[in-house]
Amino acid sequence: DAGVTQTPRHEVAEKGQTIILKCEPVSGHNDLFWYRQTKIQGLELLSYFRSKSLMEDGGAFKDRFKAEMLNSSFSTLKIQPTEPKDSAVYLCASSLDGNTLYFGEGSRLIVV
Amino acid sequence: QQKVQQSPESLSVPEGGMASLNCTSSDRNFQYFWWYRQHSGEGPKALMSIFSDGDKKEGRFTAHLNKASLHVSLHIRDSQPSDSALYFCAASENYAQGLTFGLGTRVSVFP
Repeated sequence: DAGVTQTPRHEVAEKGQTIILKCEPVSGHNDLFWYRQTKIQGLELLSYFRSKSLMEDGGAFKDRFKAEMLNSSFSTLKIQPTEPKDSAVYLCASSLDGNTLYFGEGSRLIVV
Repeated sequence: QQKVQQSPESLSVPEGGMASLNCTSSDRNFQYFWWYRQHSGEGPKALMSIFSDGDKKEGRFTAHLNKASLHVSLHIRDSQPSDSALYFCAASENYAQGLTFGLGTRVSVFP
């Protein structure tokens, strides 16, 4: 079975650009999560979807971050406009029942 | 302040030795706990979950939960070089909900 697939693996953006990160969850999983990982803050929850409905969106990230689940097998995370402090690894995870999360390898974003 | 706090930040263990990791929650609503492991360049992978007081053993890994003190620990017996990784404790209020992660403990196993 294919795991969680994230693209691109690496992205370099200029400040002010719009970035779209993509995620394909494990087939059949109902829950999808977006996390941001930095050394200082660790793993922070950005968004949580259950059966394509938005269940949680990290309050601090509402401003310039928008996650969408276009169908059960594809999600995007848009950052608009990007700022240097957005430099991080963005992780997508899926779960069958909200219990065990299966993470992708992440998209590393550098904003200059 | 982090709702899930882990200690130590880093740990060096000889091959074949025992590694002990600690996790404490400051939120009494957290009832469900997990341990995840992340190797460099990869996403975190679930090691084990623990929801009830006491010990839970899976192979060389043993987790212990004390709900009264909101303390969870992970013990790795017979540590192997492949155990060198970043270990996260994670918690949630409900069974099916986004997890809150600690900052992690970096474990290095040396020969």
